[in-house]
Amino acid sequence: GENVEQHPSTLSVQEGDSAVIKCTYSDSASNYFPWYKQELGKGPQLIIDIRSNVGEKKDQRIAVTLNKTAKHFSLHITETQPEDSAVYFCAATPQGAGNKLTFGGGTRVLVKP
Amino acid sequence: KAGVTQTPRYLIKTRGQQVTLSCSPISGHRSVSWYQQTPGQGLQFLFEYFSETQRNKGNFPGRFSGRQFSNSRSEMNVSTLELGDSALYLCASSFETYGYTFGSGTRLTVV
Repeated sequence: GENVEQHPSTLSVQEGDSAVIKCTYSDSASNYFPWYKQELGKGPQLIIDIRSNVGEKKDQRIAVTLNKTAKHFSLHITETQPEDSAVYFCAATPQGAGNKLTFGGGTRVLVKP
Repeated sequence: KAGVTQTPRYLIKTRGQQVTLSCSPISGHRSVSWYQQTPGQGLQFLFEYFSETQRNKGNFPGRFSGRQFSNSRSEMNVSTLELGDSALYLCASSFETYGYTFGSGTRLTVV
């Protein structure tokens, strides 16, 4: 089955700096890669996703890049703000697996004011 | 619009008991999935229901089961509870495939 590894496990940045989180996946059939943000006491919230036919996607301060050859994808947050502090999860799912997501281990991001 | 609603929010059960958790998806969503979240194992897929049929299943023992009703509401049941079943159980819904919205979860503690 699919295996997703996520790095780093913790990330501390100064407000205004950029944050980058990287994930690698094992199943070459995976074609959908969402990113979730989880705040304390809440469920994960979808912040951006990318399909395998696209190399990059941006939404305001957030961007995701995908390299299917190397089987890795990354989340980039620019101009970080204190409210970006949370745990971020990457995930992957192979085509035909419905909504069966395999998640990475998570990255705890702390944005220091 | 209303989000995914999970009840109850917190639950304490004794080893050996069984428990039923409930999930009301976003109106119009036909896919409902369940995940277990623990500090040690992270987020793990339990099962997915789509139009009342189980579409996918994760690698959990048969003590974990679920179902979906005609109104898309879903329940999951865990029988013969073990201490290791203590976790946050998350429900997520989507209209078709992709684009999950998660609920806030049910925190289950087994003592």
